[in-house]
Amino acid sequence: GENVEQHPSTLSVQEGDSAVIKCTYSDSASNYFPWYKQELGKRPQLIIDIRSNVGEKKDQRIAVTLNKTAKHFSLHITETQPEDSAVYFCAARLPGGGADGLTFGKGTHLIIQP
Amino acid sequence: DGGITQSPKYLFRKEGQNVTLSCEQNLNHDAMYWYRQDPGQGLRLIYYSQIVNDFQKGDIAEGYSVSREKKESFPLTVTSAQKNPTAFYLCASRAGAGHEQYFGPGTRLTVT
Repeated sequence: GENVEQHPSTLSVQEGDSAVIKCTYSDSASNYFPWYKQELGKRPQLIIDIRSNVGEKKDQRIAVTLNKTAKHFSLHITETQPEDSAVYFCAARLPGGGADGLTFGKGTHLIIQP
Repeated sequence: DGGITQSPKYLFRKEGQNVTLSCEQNLNHDAMYWYRQDPGQGLRLIYYSQIVNDFQKGDIAEGYSVSREKKESFPLTVTSAQKNPTAFYLCASRAGAGHEQYFGPGTRLTVT
């Protein structure tokens, strides 16, 4: 099966600076990589995703990059704001696997320092 | 707010009791999922169902059971066989292959 590693587990950045969260996956057949944001006590919500036929995707201050050769993908948040503080999860999907094949990383707690 | 509801938000039970967590969706989604979330562990899949009257074990199914008698509903029973039931439980649904998963608000279960 798929295995997803996520780093760092905690990331603290000054407001206005950029934040980068990295994930690696083990199965080169994985073809879909979503990122979820979870605020304290709330449900995870999809913030951006990327498919294996694309190297980069951007949505305002958020971007995701994918390196299929190295089997890693990253979330980039620029001009961080207090409301960006949350836990972020990456995931990878293995096609043909049961349950849509989503395997999640263990999460990164992003702290935005004022 | 996503069309997936879970109830109750907080649930307390004594050890040795079975407890059922509710998950309902009005999104007409075929697939539904149950995850368990523990601090530092991310989301771990308990059970999933891709169609009514069919469900499959996930990675940590031991001590849990589910049913899928209706498309809209996918209740999870935490049995007394589950050794560490205290956790945050999240239900999710998906329209079909290639679509994103939507999560419910979660139920925090505490067993003492």
